[in-house]
Amino acid sequence: DGGITQSPKYLFRKEGQNVTLSCEQNLNHDAMYWYRQDPGQGLRLIYYSQIVNDFQKGDIAEGYSVSREKKESFPLTVTSAQKNPTAFYLCASRPQGSYQPQHFGDGTRLSIL
Amino acid sequence: KNEVEQSPQNLTAQEGEFITINCSYSVGISALHWLQQHPGGGIVSLFMLSSGKKKHGRLIATINIQEKHSSLHITASHPRDSAVYICAVRSNTGNQFYFGTGTSLTVIP
Repeated sequence: DGGITQSPKYLFRKEGQNVTLSCEQNLNHDAMYWYRQDPGQGLRLIYYSQIVNDFQKGDIAEGYSVSREKKESFPLTVTSAQKNPTAFYLCASRPQGSYQPQHFGDGTRLSIL
Repeated sequence: KNEVEQSPQNLTAQEGEFITINCSYSVGISALHWLQQHPGGGIVSLFMLSSGKKKHGRLIATINIQEKHSSLHITASHPRDSAVYICAVRSNTGNQFYFGTGTSLTVIP
């Protein structure tokens, strides 16, 4: 079945460490997104990519980095520069076209040790 | 101020009740989405609307473009409907999506 796979489901990070969250899709979607969800807030856009080898910053990109070397994959690295990384991270993808919905993964919950 | 506002934030209903969740937005949009997030965190897209009304099973979504308002209705609510319902809009000026903070629904048997 087609879908979006995020791994791991739970991730723990020590202070000063970088961690990478995986997002893979087999839906042949061009656009991919990373969102952060905090309690009491709506999803906030970290980065998005509309095509391979291209990506744009969202509203809260500081302390994060991404790559898009393959259409299927859009990994997110949470760097040590992100001072408050504890959150729920959601990856989404969408085919081209204005009237196409986003498809979401099941999320990764990141916690600081 | 958020571009998308939802009400209520929390809602508790008895099984069988008719439920309405409201969404107002302040930006020009190309489409509005209703999403469902279950306790495990995964999100499912329920509806995408650009005008009028859509129905899927016991769920009905409406949108009034002039008033920048949408409603999600659940008829004959059931405990399995318990989830967070999120309204999201896609801006008509780019690829940006804006999300409401969600409405947490609990349906009691």
